[in-house]
Amino acid sequence: GAVVSQHPSRVICKSGTSVKIECRSLDFQATTMFWYRQFPKQSLMLMATSNEGSKATYEQGVEKDKFLINHASLTLSTLTVTSAHPEDSSFYICSARIAGTRNYEQYFGPGTRLTVT
Amino acid sequence: GENVGLHLPTLSVQEGDNSIINCAYSNSASDYFIWYKQESGKGPQFIIDIRSNMDKRQGQRVTVLLNKTVKHLSLQIAATQPGDSAVYFCAERRTGANSKLTFGKGITLSVRP
Repeated sequence: GAVVSQHPSRVICKSGTSVKIECRSLDFQATTMFWYRQFPKQSLMLMATSNEGSKATYEQGVEKDKFLINHASLTLSTLTVTSAHPEDSSFYICSARIAGTRNYEQYFGPGTRLTVT
Repeated sequence: GENVGLHLPTLSVQEGDNSIINCAYSNSASDYFIWYKQESGKGPQFIIDIRSNMDKRQGQRVTVLLNKTVKHLSLQIAATQPGDSAVYFCAERRTGANSKLTFGKGITLSVRP
């Protein structure tokens, strides 16, 4: 149980284009999802907290107009990297909490490798 | 960010030995801790968690110890196997931070056959 999927797993795009990454909770509902960014051999850096039906909460230093987050349903959150640049190349990982519990455990997706050329 | 330019420390253990992975956390008000395992190119995978009202919790082949006095968390893996090779992260939930987790820098566990 508690499976989270991400799509696509890998994407290569040209500089200036936008890329959308989907995060789905497959067997549970998630009122809260999280988006992380991870550079090679480094830890996870939280970008934003996505709440179903409301605006995402961005961490300090994360541009909300560049990283658009939409959490339209209890099983889907999307991250759109707008006007991508090579420095946006990274491993993007989402996670989700099970709705209606007091458990803080986050279930992670498999990640999306973004390469901007 | 604080992790820029840093490489993850590595712990090398012999297959069959016990592994101890340590983590220091900074916030004395943190009330929930969790260990994740991340294999190369994959998302983190839950190992075990512990609340601040406990000092020890055991799972299958794993034990988490929490020392709130010195703000130290450890993960013990019994009879380490090659499949345990991965990067391990500790994470804490800071009181007042809603459901956000703050991740530590991570440690690479390398198991020698």
